Amino acid sequence: ETGVTQSPTHLIKTRGQQVTLRCSSQSGHNTVSWYQQALGQGPQFIFQYYREEENGRGNFPPRFSGLQFPNYSSELNVNALELDDSALYLCASSLAGQYTGELFFGEGSRLTVL
Amino acid sequence: QQQVKQSPQSLIVQKGGIPIINCAYENTAFDYFPWYQQFPGKGPALLIAIRPDVSEKKEGRFTISFNKSAKQFSLHIMDSQPGDSATYFCAATRGGSSNTGKLIFGQGTTLQVKP
Repeated sequence: ETGVTQSPTHLIKTRGQQVTLRCSSQSGHNTVSWYQQALGQGPQFIFQYYREEENGRGNFPPRFSGLQFPNYSSELNVNALELDDSALYLCASSLAGQYTGELFFGEGSRLTVL
Repeated sequence: QQQVKQSPQSLIVQKGGIPIINCAYENTAFDYFPWYQQFPGKGPALLIAIRPDVSEKKEGRFTISFNKSAKQFSLHIMDSQPGDSATYFCAATRGGSSNTGKLIFGQGTTLQVKP
């Protein structure tokens, strides 16, 4: 059983650029959620994808968008990067329909915006 | 109404001590309360979770106490060890398959257990 993997692990962008982060969900999981974790803070829910559609969104602007693919992997895209977007972006997978509440997190992608 | 407030922000105990981390929530629709443990450079991992139909749950050295009327819950770590040094997050969510991934996290507590 493979765990949640994310790429890249670290990246540096400049303000105004665009970034794409990738996530492979744990084997057998069909739901992917993305979280933003600022330094010293708890993770904040960005959105969730199930059956290739967005299924719930937190308080994030439309320049945060995502995709889920038929193999349940997912991408997070952020356009027009701002300095405050600097954070650890966490992907988590779970299995809808058998809700135990447990999310399986990857190790995250650390984004620095200069 | 969607917030989960966690305290203290940091905690230092001696090996064998019993650190206690507290959380409070406002949304009475929340019905699932997990605790996650995060080591530096790693993603959070589920430690223990409770639903509001019970007042206490134990798993090994970890215990959750839940007070539904006060809308508070806490994590106790018995016989704490240096390997327990990590950041702990409480969280809350509404149950159901459509909410599988939508957790509201507290701000985190950084625990240091001294040898």
